Amino acid sequence: NAGVMQNPRHLVRRRGQEARLRCSPMKGHSHVYWYRQLPEEGLKFMVYLQKENIIDESGMPKERFSAEFPKEGPSILRIQQVVRGDSAAYFCASSPPRLASETQYFGPGTRLLVL
Amino acid sequence: GIQVEQSPPDLILQEGANSTLRCNFSDSVNNLQWFHQNPWGQLINLFYIPSGTKQNGRLSATTVATERYSLLYISSSQTTDSGVYFCADNTGGFKTIFGAGTRLFVKA
Repeated sequence: NAGVMQNPRHLVRRRGQEARLRCSPMKGHSHVYWYRQLPEEGLKFMVYLQKENIIDESGMPKERFSAEFPKEGPSILRIQQVVRGDSAAYFCASSPPRLASETQYFGPGTRLLVL
Repeated sequence: GIQVEQSPPDLILQEGANSTLRCNFSDSVNNLQWFHQNPWGQLINLFYIPSGTKQNGRLSATTVATERYSLLYISSSQTTDSGVYFCADNTGGFKTIFGAGTRLFVKA
């Protein structure tokens, strides 16, 4: 059973470009979370999604950031018109429905660098 | 929202030593978890510990919910224990709040 997969692992963008980060949850997991980690800091919650629904996006900036988890395919975190302050590691986690509040399994992260 | 504070922020140990990491929270928590982030960035669940004590090999964790803290014990530390240890909670819903972490370096 493959773990949570994220791609790309590293992404370099110039200011103003778009960044698309993908997350494939573990098989059988229908809950996906996105977090951002700045260097030397803890993880900051961004958004929690179930299939085709955004449940809690209270941690996501209101502009330029969006997330989706379609019925088919991976979850996507999209950052439009990136700025240098968006440089960070973005982690995705997934959990099964029954244990959604207890157990989250993390992917390896995508490290975004904005030049 | 709930605040999670971890101590110490940094810790250096000689291989074989024991250590205790602490997590204090500002309000009642029901879904306290401990994670380890290795030097390559990968996050691993260690414990789901809303109350009581659990043990897994050289690691154990205790949460005293009434006093709003949790402890992670590492015994006979090894160099592979190096990394950052986070406690986190999502009692308020699915928005998981992480502490700032304890950075551990174990010297050979």
